[in-house]
Parts: sequence; C-alpha cells; structure tokens
Amino acid sequence: GQNIDQPTEMTATEGAIVQINCTYQTSGFNGLFWYQQHAGEAPTFLSYNVLDGLEEKGRFSSFLSRSKGYSYLLLKELQMKDSASYLCACMDSNYQLIWGAGTKLIIKP
Amino acid sequence: GAVVSQHPSRVICKSGTSVKIECRSLDFQATTMFWYRQFPKKSLMLMATSNEGSKATYEQGVEKDKFLINHASLTLSTLTVTSAHPEDSSFYICSARSAEREQFFGPGTRLTVL
Repeated sequence: GQNIDQPTEMTATEGAIVQINCTYQTSGFNGLFWYQQHAGEAPTFLSYNVLDGLEEKGRFSSFLSRSKGYSYLLLKELQMKDSASYLCACMDSNYQLIWGAGTKLIIKP
Repeated sequence: GAVVSQHPSRVICKSGTSVKIECRSLDFQATTMFWYRQFPKKSLMLMATSNEGSKATYEQGVEKDKFLINHASLTLSTLTVTSAHPEDSSFYICSARSAEREQFFGPGTRLTVL
C-alpha cells in the first residue's frame, strides 16, 4: 500500500533549527512536496523535490533520497510565525498527491 | 505562482439545505481539479478528482450523490453538498493542476451546518 510517515508534533526554540523527516512508500514516484499550513487556512507550497539532493530556498531547505524513500524539511532561524503544520506529500505514478498526516511544529520563545 | 480561488470562503447553513462551492483557476487552465476535505488535526482527505468535461472520480467512502462535482470548464469546478447535515461541517479545499503538473491550492471554504 501507499504510506507517508512523519512525526505528529515537534517543538523547537525561536532562532534554532529544526528538521522534519518524512518517509514514504508509494506506487511510482513523481516528486515530493512540502506544504505549510496554518490553522484554519489552506496549505501553501514550500518545496518540490524530484531528484536526490538538497534544495535550498531561504530559511527553508528540503532534501530527498529516492533510494531510501526519505525526505526532510529543514527550517533555520526559526521565527514564531513558523508555528504551523508541515505536510509531506508524494506524487504517485498517476500524478496524484498522497498526503502525510502533517507535523505540528510548535515554536517557543 | 498561479492563483486558485474559492467562493464562498465561509458558509453557514441550516441542516437539509444544499451548498455550492466554486473553485476557479484564475490565470491558467486546469484540466484536472481535486476536492479535499480536512478534519480537525488531520491530514487532507481527497474526496474526488474531476477532469474537465467528464464525470468525477470519487474516492472510496465518498458519497457521489451527496457531494456533486461539476467541472464544466477548464477554469471552474463546483462542489455541491446536498442535504447538508452537521457532520458535513468541515474545511473544503480545492486544488487545480496545470499542464506542467504543478498543483495549486485554493484558500478553502469553511462550511458550518447548524
């Protein structure tokens, strides 16, 4: 079956770094997405990885290892506004997104 | 990036009434649109996939007679919740996929059924 696993909740300190991991098993693979979702709002796109390696975009970076079925989202210089849920999603062979349950990130001062 | 809009953003209705939610891709043509439902503290649940000009494909467990989806044009899809009940109260989100396979999300519609 298809499965996306990510931690339910993480806590980090303002100004620090946090890594949110995601492992996946899907039928086919056409890329992995990370989305940020604040409470009561729709998800917003953060990153897309289809090749192995690290993609850096400002304070956020995303890493993919296709052989390991593994990705992580790295957030640096954490700000209070980064408190949100972070959703990992894989695009399968039919180009449909398979969603993880999301990781709730709590930032403490 | 591309913009997807949803209307209305919030709706409150009485039990037994029907509610229509519109999803529009504003600056690109979307051959495929997706409708999701989000339960509190849970991931997005795909309800159905709609392709322009054809019937929607519903996920297992989603009642097609209750959640009517129409994808009449390359920029508009509608979701109608028929005979809504309190258990249908939720956050409904649509997304539209471009020809380049990118997926863009609408802002969501919060439905409250009294």
